[in-house]
Amino acid sequence: AQSVTQLGSHVSVSEGALVLLRCNYSSSVPPYLFWYVQYPNQGLQLLLKYTTGATLVKGINGFEAEFKKSETSFHLTKPSAHMSDAAEYFCAVSESNFGNEKLTFGTGTRLTIIP
Amino acid sequence: DARVTQTPRDKVTEMGQEVTMRCQPILGHNTVFWYRQTMMQGLELLAYFRNRAPLDDSGMPKDRFSAEMPDATLATLKIQPSEPRDSAVYFCASGGTGVRDTEAFFGQGTRLTVV
Repeated sequence: AQSVTQLGSHVSVSEGALVLLRCNYSSSVPPYLFWYVQYPNQGLQLLLKYTTGATLVKGINGFEAEFKKSETSFHLTKPSAHMSDAAEYFCAVSESNFGNEKLTFGTGTRLTIIP
Repeated sequence: DARVTQTPRDKVTEMGQEVTMRCQPILGHNTVFWYRQTMMQGLELLAYFRNRAPLDDSGMPKDRFSAEMPDATLATLKIQPSEPRDSAVYFCASGGTGVRDTEAFFGQGTRLTVV
């Protein structure tokens, strides 16, 4: 069974400050890890994902995440927050690299950007 | 621009009424997922189909929920009878196994309110 824990249901950062959203996972098989973003009244959009290979993954909108197997973590970061980053962010784990395998989601982190 | 289309976007219904939500997956994707999003439970998988056959519907209350894929271009999720606790946003997603099918794509969701 797989599970995801996102620490902090709400995170607030100032515009221009570092964004750090935390995600820890549990998986009995090598995990495939994802970060999705959800804007108000919208569906989920993939930000980035880790499959195999390089543990530092770069995604859209300047976000990146690092897979740390020893810590079972996949934290999401962005060096400088922008007002448009305000949204809800979901970490997810899957057993497959393909889009046809089910995802197990964390409970989400709502990111607020302070002007 | 390929996308997953869900109808209706919003639905308000009275307790006891039947509700049908529809999803048109991306052409060529062989897997369709139904997820439900609530404040309390977050994002949870209700059911998913591969090549139109149900693969896993263990997340779905069997007594009132049913999911089908009448053909490759249409997936339906039905609730009969509906209850206030079914109020949630229901997302459909689709994915494939092609070389380029490395993520699941989500629709914009159906916001269901049962009064």
